[in-house]
Amino acid sequence: RKEVEQDPGPFNVPEGATVAFNCTYSNSASQSFFWYRQDCRKEPKLLMSVYSSGNEDGRFTAQLNRASQYISLLIRDSKLSDSATYLCVVTSPYSGSARQLTFGSGTQLTVLP
Amino acid sequence: DVKVTQSSRYLVKRTGEKVFLECVQDMDHENMFWYRQDPGLGLRLIYFSYDVKMKEKGDIPEGYSVSREKKERFSLILESASTNQTSMYLCATPGTGRNYGYTFGSGTRLTVV
Repeated sequence: RKEVEQDPGPFNVPEGATVAFNCTYSNSASQSFFWYRQDCRKEPKLLMSVYSSGNEDGRFTAQLNRASQYISLLIRDSKLSDSATYLCVVTSPYSGSARQLTFGSGTQLTVLP
Repeated sequence: DVKVTQSSRYLVKRTGEKVFLECVQDMDHENMFWYRQDPGLGLRLIYFSYDVKMKEKGDIPEGYSVSREKKERFSLILESASTNQTSMYLCATPGTGRNYGYTFGSGTRLTVV
């Protein structure tokens, strides 16, 4: 079983739609949680952190359920520029002070005009 | 914000060559990481370093070594490049600020022929 699992998609949605991505993780000792965005042939970039209380950044809402080991990302009123691959990322204690990032394989989103 | 610079965007090397991939960060961070990214496999940790001259193997260290002589520079070395090392290589270091995610370099796309 993969440590971080995501539905790979692709998700093809019309502009203005609401789309939700889900992610599950297997290591209950995971400490921090993030969503990253990766455009084609570019490096991943931090989209937002995910907190147990849930957090929102404009059209993006992230939720964490530690009991179920489940993370979600909701995008409202999707734009063409939201087309990208979304990576679910968790950190765990690893060695010394270095926290290891574990990545999901990513969910591909295409927003259609 | 931290800036992570990888020396080359694209490299083509021959099988058996020794290859050096360089990564430099400008925030005096202790922790630096090397990942490779392949379609369907996501990002996988090769090696990380938590201080000068300190290194730890990640999940897929075989065929690679690293060097951390100065805090700002973390080098990935392919001792004898093979075609299965054709990949996108990404260097990362912890970001700054509240979110404390990781910041990636722009990546090096290596092709071994």
